Amino acid sequence: RKEVEQDPGPFNVPEGATVAFNCTYSNSASQSFFWYRQDCRKEPKLLMSVYSSGNEDGRFTAQLNRASQYISLLIRDSKLSDSATYLCVVNGDDYKLSFGAGTTVTVRA
Amino acid sequence: DAGVTQSPTHLIKTRGQHVTLRCSPISGHKSVSWYQQVLGQGPQFIFQYYEKEERGRGNFPDRFSARQFPNYSSELNVNALLLGDSALYLCASSLEGQGPYQPQHFGDGTRLSIL
Repeated sequence: RKEVEQDPGPFNVPEGATVAFNCTYSNSASQSFFWYRQDCRKEPKLLMSVYSSGNEDGRFTAQLNRASQYISLLIRDSKLSDSATYLCVVNGDDYKLSFGAGTTVTVRA
Repeated sequence: DAGVTQSPTHLIKTRGQHVTLRCSPISGHKSVSWYQQVLGQGPQFIFQYYEKEERGRGNFPDRFSARQFPNYSSELNVNALLLGDSALYLCASSLEGQGPYQPQHFGDGTRLSIL
């Protein structure tokens, strides 16, 4: 079983729509969680950290469910510029970040 | 401030050769990690170095090695290159070892092609 699994998508949504997707992780000892965004052939860039109580950053909302070992990301009022691959990232207790394979989101005009 | 810088940007090698990739972390960052990303997958952890010591290693063969210098820059070396080593190699730095809530900041990567 992979350490971090994501729905690969693609999610094709119109501008202004809300899109949400999850990722699951296998290591119950994982301590910190992030969402990164990666544009085609570019480096990953930190979108947001994910805190236990859930957190928002503008149009982006992240949730963590430790009991079920999943993380979610919700994007409200989608913009064309939100088109990207979203990487779920989990940090265990062993100095290693584990990445999911990514969820592709395409926002159309 | 400069972000994480990697060199070279692109590299073409043939099977059996070796390669050295370089990375300079963000100023003040003491931790450097290396990742391999093949097309269609997320980055896979190779190494982390902190204060010039190896702090973590992923599931990569001994052909992969790395080191960190006193100025916190780092090199990744790969020997006896295989076709499967073709990938984007990413370097990331963070303020200190990967404690909780220490996100990493990535360089643009080195795209390595093996012929």
